[in-house]
Amino acid sequence: GQNIDQPTEMTATEGAIVQINCTYQTSGFNGLFWYQQHAGEAPTFLSYNVLDGLEEKGRFSSFLSRSKGYSYLLLKELQMKDSASYLCAVRDSNYQLIWGAGTKLIIKP
Amino acid sequence: GAVVSQHPSWVICKSGTSVKIECRSLDFQATTMFWYRQFPKQSLMLMATSNEGSKATYEQGVEKDKFLINHASLTLSTLTVTSAHPEDSSFYICSASKRIGTSGSDEQFFGPGTRLTVL
Repeated sequence: GQNIDQPTEMTATEGAIVQINCTYQTSGFNGLFWYQQHAGEAPTFLSYNVLDGLEEKGRFSSFLSRSKGYSYLLLKELQMKDSASYLCAVRDSNYQLIWGAGTKLIIKP
Repeated sequence: GAVVSQHPSWVICKSGTSVKIECRSLDFQATTMFWYRQFPKQSLMLMATSNEGSKATYEQGVEKDKFLINHASLTLSTLTVTSAHPEDSSFYICSASKRIGTSGSDEQFFGPGTRLTVL
């Protein structure tokens, strides 16, 4: 079956760095997405990886290794507003989105 | 678990026809269901929020007469794209909200999406 695994919850300190991992097993691969979702709001797009390597966007970076079925989202210089759920999703060979359950990130002062 | 399914997974139709997309929460009752559209730049745009038995709340700029939403039960919501045109070709994703415990907080679970191509 198809599966996306990411930690349920993580806690980090304001100003620090946190890495949220995502591993996947899907039938084919057509890209991996990271979304941020604050409680009660629609998810917002963070990144899209389709080739191996690191994509950097300001304080956020996303890494992909297709051979390992692995991605991570790296958040630097954490701010309180980064407290949210982070969703990993993979598009399979049928162009279906397989969603992870999300990682709830708690930022402490 | 909390599984959300969509049907069909992909559909191709002629311009001017209507297409219905179903979203089901398979193993839980959804307090609320959401419909999104995923654009080529990969962002998700919220189209509407629907609660069972009541009219959907549409986001600004979304035509409610074009995108008809029916939320007939706590496990089923449908989106009908009426008189579809090529510019409606997109990836439509639903999500369903599940009440977690007694805390009053909800968690959102996403469907796999429906790829619509209008010729």
